[in-house]
Amino acid sequence: GQQLNQSPQSMFIQEGEDVSMNCTSSSIFNTWLWYKQDPGEGPVLLIALYKAGELTSNGRLTAQFGITRKDSFLNISASIPSDVGIYFCAGRTKTSYDKVIFGPGTSLSVIP
Amino acid sequence: KAGVTQTPRYLIKTRGQQVTLSCSPISGHRSVSWYQQTPGQGLQFLFEYFSETQRNKGNFPGRFSGRQFSNSRSEMNVSTLELGDSALYLCASSLEPVNNEQFFGPGTRLTVL
Repeated sequence: GQQLNQSPQSMFIQEGEDVSMNCTSSSIFNTWLWYKQDPGEGPVLLIALYKAGELTSNGRLTAQFGITRKDSFLNISASIPSDVGIYFCAGRTKTSYDKVIFGPGTSLSVIP
Repeated sequence: KAGVTQTPRYLIKTRGQQVTLSCSPISGHRSVSWYQQTPGQGLQFLFEYFSETQRNKGNFPGRFSGRQFSNSRSEMNVSTLELGDSALYLCASSLEPVNNEQFFGPGTRLTVL
């Protein structure tokens, strides 16, 4: 079935550093979504992407819809302690557009 | 605008019991999806409801069921609880199904003893 892979699985960074993470699949996606989840809470939508090549920012976060439509990237600039959490990519494929598929997540820890 | 609300937030049950979880979507949202989240399996899709009809179902046994009311509120039920049903159950709402952003509630943490 369709699967999403996220890398890295976990990251430990210093406060102020930039962060990059990505999401890949063997399937073509027509929607990419990036979520952040704090412990004990539901995921919060950060950025939604709908077009190949699209680059969208939300404050210090920037995400891109890969040109191949099989990947997406999330960058966080100048990380701060509250960026700690699990970041999930999710999306809808062309063939299973009625279901949102989630990646396994990237756990981010920020060292003050 | 109020977000997605889920009740209860925490629940402890014993094996064999049944449980009902409730979800109120964002006002105006008509699609509600349910997910199970566990450390080992991540976020797994349970089912989606739109206009009181189940549109989609994930690969879960028949012990897991749901419904949606005319005001778009949704409930999910798990019967004959098993230890492995311990998880965070998340509800997400969107305006319409398909190609729309989903917004999640805080989840219900179910522990089965």
